[in-house]
Amino acid sequence: DAGVTQSPTHLIKTRGQHVTLRCSPISGHKSVSWYQQVLGQGPQFIFQYYEKEERGRGNFPDRFSARQFPNYSSELNVNALLLGDSALYLCASSWTGAVSSNQPQHFGDGTRLSIL
Amino acid sequence: AQTVTQSQPEMSVQEAETVTLSCTYDTSESNYYLFWYKQPPSRQMILVIRQEAYKQQNATENRFSVNFQKAAKSFSLKISDSQLGDTAMYFCAFDDMRFGAGTRLTVKP
Repeated sequence: DAGVTQSPTHLIKTRGQHVTLRCSPISGHKSVSWYQQVLGQGPQFIFQYYEKEERGRGNFPDRFSARQFPNYSSELNVNALLLGDSALYLCASSWTGAVSSNQPQHFGDGTRLSIL
Repeated sequence: AQTVTQSQPEMSVQEAETVTLSCTYDTSESNYYLFWYKQPPSRQMILVIRQEAYKQQNATENRFSVNFQKAAKSFSLKISDSQLGDTAMYFCAFDDMRFGAGTRLTVKP
């Protein structure tokens, strides 16, 4: 079975531009979460979606938005890019997204975003 | 807000020896979940072990075990019989959403 797939693998943008990152969850998983991992730091939670509804949001500005589609894939959008947005963006999927379930999240390989 | 602290940025261990990675956290909740994740240089994050706060018994997964001290809000990871493939960044996480800064573990031959 395919794991969590993210595209693109690498992306280079300039300040002020907009970017869309994509994530396809493991088949059957209905929850998708997004994380930002700046070099040398741990992942920071951005969003969680379950059944196309936003279930959780981290402490990120409104420039960051996301959505989940009927097939449970997801997009993360970032507007007005800043140098500080340079990071590895990770997507994770799980059956329900509930931590109390005995189903762990599975992470993708991430998208490396570089802002020039 | 919950915070997760990993006070050891880097650690090394000889192959076949045992190493313990530290993690402390802050929360006012009584029921929660704690995780250790491994991120090899290939960068895919992999779950190592998970602990439910209401369970007294420490979780174990083969060579990996935790020492969960709820009152002290401490959650350390012990790796026994270290292998070269254990070389990676290790992250402690609270409720699968808040991650520590990580510990870079190097296993030396």
